[in-house]
Amino acid sequence: AQSVAQPEDQVNVAEGNPLTVKCTYSVSGNPYLFWYVQYPNRGLQFLLKYITGDNLVKGSYGFEAEFNKSQTSFHLKKPSALVSDSALYFCAVRDTSGTYKYIFGTGTRLKVLA
Amino acid sequence: SQTIHQWPATLVQPVGSPLSLECTVEGTSNPNLYWYRQAAGRGLQLLFYSVGIGQISSEVPQNLSASRPQDRQFILSSKKLLLSDSGFYLCAWSGGGAFAGRDTQYFGPGTRLTVL
Repeated sequence: AQSVAQPEDQVNVAEGNPLTVKCTYSVSGNPYLFWYVQYPNRGLQFLLKYITGDNLVKGSYGFEAEFNKSQTSFHLKKPSALVSDSALYFCAVRDTSGTYKYIFGTGTRLKVLA
Repeated sequence: SQTIHQWPATLVQPVGSPLSLECTVEGTSNPNLYWYRQAAGRGLQLLFYSVGIGQISSEVPQNLSASRPQDRQFILSSKKLLLSDSGFYLCAWSGGGAFAGRDTQYFGPGTRLTVL
């Protein structure tokens, strides 16, 4: 079965420190991978995606993600965290079994401490 | 540019009452449309998706239904709400046709439904 795992329910990081939010996936074929951020009582906002090409993908608000095929991972990173980055982050993968569905992880809550 | 609208933003309904949530997309044609429910600010549960007018795929039948009467309109309905229907409902769209499968999924602002 195709799936996405976000192993950490919550990640705490001090402001100014680098942050990493982990994501691993399991799909057949080439994965199309996405990261979203959600602020309280808001819809999900698209951050970045990997479809093909360079394994390091740069996105909005200074975020980037590294696609690692051998480890089936797509971790979200930022060199210097801001308090305003505190939110719920979702990793997603496009289903490759012939449907038009997107499979989401359970989400990781990021808290950036001042 | 494309825009997705959802209304109402919040809704409080008694158990057993009907429900109708509406979602519309502007600035694109033939989108794939999706309804998700999010409980307690955590994971997303896919409820329905549609690849065209009148074409609805149901992931979680329960007491909810969806309809797509126009190309860019997606409606979530219920005849009788249950307490367990409370949650945050999100509509989303992605490119259809030639863009299907590679395009990003974009979300609306959501509807907070409380069933009392």
